[in-house]
Amino acid sequence: EAGVVQSPRYKIIEKKQPVAFWCNPISGHNTLYWYLQNLGQGPELLIRYENEEAVDDSQLPKDRFSAERLKGVDSTLKIQPAELGDSAVYLCASSLRSPLRTSGDLGTDTQYFGPGTRLTVL
Amino acid sequence: QKEVEQNSGPLSVPEGAIASLNCTYSDRGSQSFFWYRQYSGKSPELIMSIYSNGDKEDGRFTAQLNKASQYVSLLIRDSQPSDSATYLCAVKGGIYNQGGKLIFGQGTELSVKP
Repeated sequence: EAGVVQSPRYKIIEKKQPVAFWCNPISGHNTLYWYLQNLGQGPELLIRYENEEAVDDSQLPKDRFSAERLKGVDSTLKIQPAELGDSAVYLCASSLRSPLRTSGDLGTDTQYFGPGTRLTVL
Repeated sequence: QKEVEQNSGPLSVPEGAIASLNCTYSDRGSQSFFWYRQYSGKSPELIMSIYSNGDKEDGRFTAQLNKASQYVSLLIRDSQPSDSATYLCAVKGGIYNQGGKLIFGQGTELSVKP
């Protein structure tokens, strides 16, 4: 089974330029996540999709960041314009969210991460 | 106070020893707990999940959860150099996180010396 695919793997741009990242989740996974990971830190959620709907975008800086998930499969994350502080790794993850409850589990929705896109803003 | 806290390390252990990684969380209502391993330059990979108090064993890995004390730990027995990585603790659910998103700690870097 193919994993989460992301492209590009690396991107170097100058500040104020736009940039876009693409993610193809694991086939059949209805939930898709975009995370930002700074060096030496854990991933932080930017946005979560359930199918086509963005159900949690509270941490997405909406003045410069946007995301879409057309048809509930692939997703793109865009930054326009990029700033120096946006340099980080952008991770996409997907899961198959199930209503099954087992021993307090909120659902069997293990998140599988893609390889990430390392963005450098100069 | 950070929602999920880990010692950043590095934690250095000799090959064959037990590595003990700890994590505390602030939201008492948290329900699901995960350990991810992340090699340098790679993406996080799930290695353990735990939902109930007590121990859960999987091969050389044991996760321990104590909800009353709000901590979760990961033990790695017979540590190998290939276990050298950053270990991320993640928590889901809770009073202040009812949307179910994963909240990660900053990770603990583990180095296993041959």
